[in-house]
Amino acid sequence: DQQVKQNSPSLSVQEGRISILNCDYTNSMFDYFLWYKKYPAEGPTFLISISSIKDKNEDGRFTVFLNKSAKHLSLHIVPSQPGDSAVYFCAASAKTSYDKVIFGPGTSLSVIP
Amino acid sequence: NAGVTQTPKFRVLKTGQSMTLLCAQDMNHEYMYWYRQDPGMGLRLIHYSVGEGTTAKGEVPDGYNVSRLKKQNFLLGLESAAPSQTSVYFCASSDPQDTQYFGPGTRLTVL
Repeated sequence: DQQVKQNSPSLSVQEGRISILNCDYTNSMFDYFLWYKKYPAEGPTFLISISSIKDKNEDGRFTVFLNKSAKHLSLHIVPSQPGDSAVYFCAASAKTSYDKVIFGPGTSLSVIP
Repeated sequence: NAGVTQTPKFRVLKTGQSMTLLCAQDMNHEYMYWYRQDPGMGLRLIHYSVGEGTTAKGEVPDGYNVSRLKKQNFLLGLESAAPSQTSVYFCASSDPQDTQYFGPGTRLTVL
């Protein structure tokens, strides 16, 4: 059973609009969450993270929101740009094992010019 | 500064053949990891290492072995390849409890 779920395999958004990518987790021990971005034929690259002591973290156009009670987090991209078209992986780890990061299956985002 | 590199980029094997994937990093990171990526499954951790000479099992270690003889290198071996090991393999490295940096991947097909 997947501990980190991304229920939308794909998402299409118009350029300039907001992209919202969702992630759910089942393990209550997770306390650190990350988003990675992956272009075709490249490895994933780190995008943004959030600790469980926060409910929001912002970095430029990217904001991650964490709802611990719902075991849900989301990545907001505003405004969306064509260069944001990629696969986005949600990931989580627990303080007891930060070296083990559990990844979700990914959401493929297409930003349409 | 090349970051994390993986050799080879592509490989086709027949069932039962063996091979070794090489990962090298030049960032002096303590931790190194091997993942496999399959459609709809995300990245799954195969083995990892928290320092030179140490290795540990991840989520899906069966059929793979690893070695970390030098801090900058992490080798992933398949002793007897099976079609179920057809996948894209990613290596990553990090400082302890820090962001992981990934290599470009190796696409392996086992016939």
